[in-house]
Amino acid sequence: RKEVEQDPGPFNVPEGATVAFNCTYSNSASQSFFWYRQDCRKEPKLLMSVYSSGNEDGRFTAQLNRASQYISLLIRDSKLSDSATYLCVVRPGGGSYIPTFGRGTSLIVHP
Amino acid sequence: ETGVTQTPRHLVMGMTNKKSLKCEQHLGHNAMYWYKQSAKKPLELMFVYSLEERVENNSVPSRFSPECPNSSHLFLHLHTLQPEDSALYLCASSQDFGQGEDEKLFFGSGTQLSVL
Repeated sequence: RKEVEQDPGPFNVPEGATVAFNCTYSNSASQSFFWYRQDCRKEPKLLMSVYSSGNEDGRFTAQLNRASQYISLLIRDSKLSDSATYLCVVRPGGGSYIPTFGRGTSLIVHP
Repeated sequence: ETGVTQTPRHLVMGMTNKKSLKCEQHLGHNAMYWYKQSAKKPLELMFVYSLEERVENNSVPSRFSPECPNSSHLFLHLHTLQPEDSALYLCASSQDFGQGEDEKLFFGSGTQLSVL
């Protein structure tokens, strides 16, 4: 099992739709979790951290499920500008501090 | 100027050339990273420096040689590369390394490298 796995997509949704991505991780000792956004031919940018209690930032909600070892990202009322690749990042813990990236999930929001 | 800046943005080199990628961060961070991003692959960590000391070398071929002269600058020296080394090379920084849970990465815009 890969350390961090994501469905590559693409997820093709209309404007206004709600879409959710999951990301699974293999190391149960993982400590920190993040979602990054990467536009085509650009660098990744931090979207949000993921906390145990879940967190929300506007239309974006991130949740952590430690029992099942996955994190999720929910996007409500999708905009055209949300089209991007969403990268899941996990810091393993257990003595390792290296952030590990998933392959990313591609989202295409169409009119 | 703020953030993380990388130069050059694009680089084409032959297999016998020697070139260097440069990264500079203006965030006052203590850790800097080199990542490689190939098509349809996750970002691969190459090197990590914390307070100018290399703390991770992720089994990278010796044709890639990093250098960190101070906490604000990071270089990646390239020599005798192979065509399969063509990729986007991303530099990143974080406040610290291994010091806390909330270590967010800030990336430069990358160098798109093509090896002919």
